[in-house]
Amino acid sequence: EAQVTQNPRYLITVTGKKLTVTCSQNMNHEYMSWYRQDPGLGLRQIYYSMNVEVTDKGDVPEGYKVSRKEKRNFPLILESPSPNQTSLYFCASSYSPRDEQFFGPGTRLTVL
Amino acid sequence: GDSVTQMEGPVTLSEEAFLTINCTYTATGYPSLFWYVQYPGEGLQLLLKATKADDKGSNKGFEATYRKETTSFHLEKGSVQVSDSAVYFCALYDYGQNFVFGPGTRLSVLP
Repeated sequence: EAQVTQNPRYLITVTGKKLTVTCSQNMNHEYMSWYRQDPGLGLRQIYYSMNVEVTDKGDVPEGYKVSRKEKRNFPLILESPSPNQTSLYFCASSYSPRDEQFFGPGTRLTVL
Repeated sequence: GDSVTQMEGPVTLSEEAFLTINCTYTATGYPSLFWYVQYPGEGLQLLLKATKADDKGSNKGFEATYRKETTSFHLEKGSVQVSDSAVYFCALYDYGQNFVFGPGTRLSVLP
């Protein structure tokens, strides 16, 4: 089954404790992206990757890191989480940004 | 930078009513335009898209036409069902830019 998987689905952590949210797709997509969804703001792009070893900043990259060492995986890293990073996070993939993006189920992160 | 504006919700309609959700955009180039839908507790799914001016995207009874002269991509459906209750996002992608979503419009359809 073609899908984008994210883990964990729910995470409660404390300020400053490094965490990683994993994202994996099995559709051989080149374009992958991370978004955060906040009430009234829609989805905002954090980082995206056009291909392996190619990543670029989205609209809200501060406090986040990503890497793209393999085509299928695109982890999101929060080195020192803060309460303003409490949000719902989505990973998505597609052949290109003009094509349909397939979204993961989301990760709800709470930083205390 | 590029941006997307959508009508504020929530929108509440009775079953079989006509739906319009307005979307306007600002872009420097020639963007592709999208409507995504998010059902409760799920990720987003593509509803329809259009890649150039005057293109009409359609799917599941929903339609939207890419209007360059008015920089708009309004979503319409002739007869909504309870199962259409969801949050609808207008979005755009302009070459070399970030992918941009609007704030979303929540639709509730009452039986």
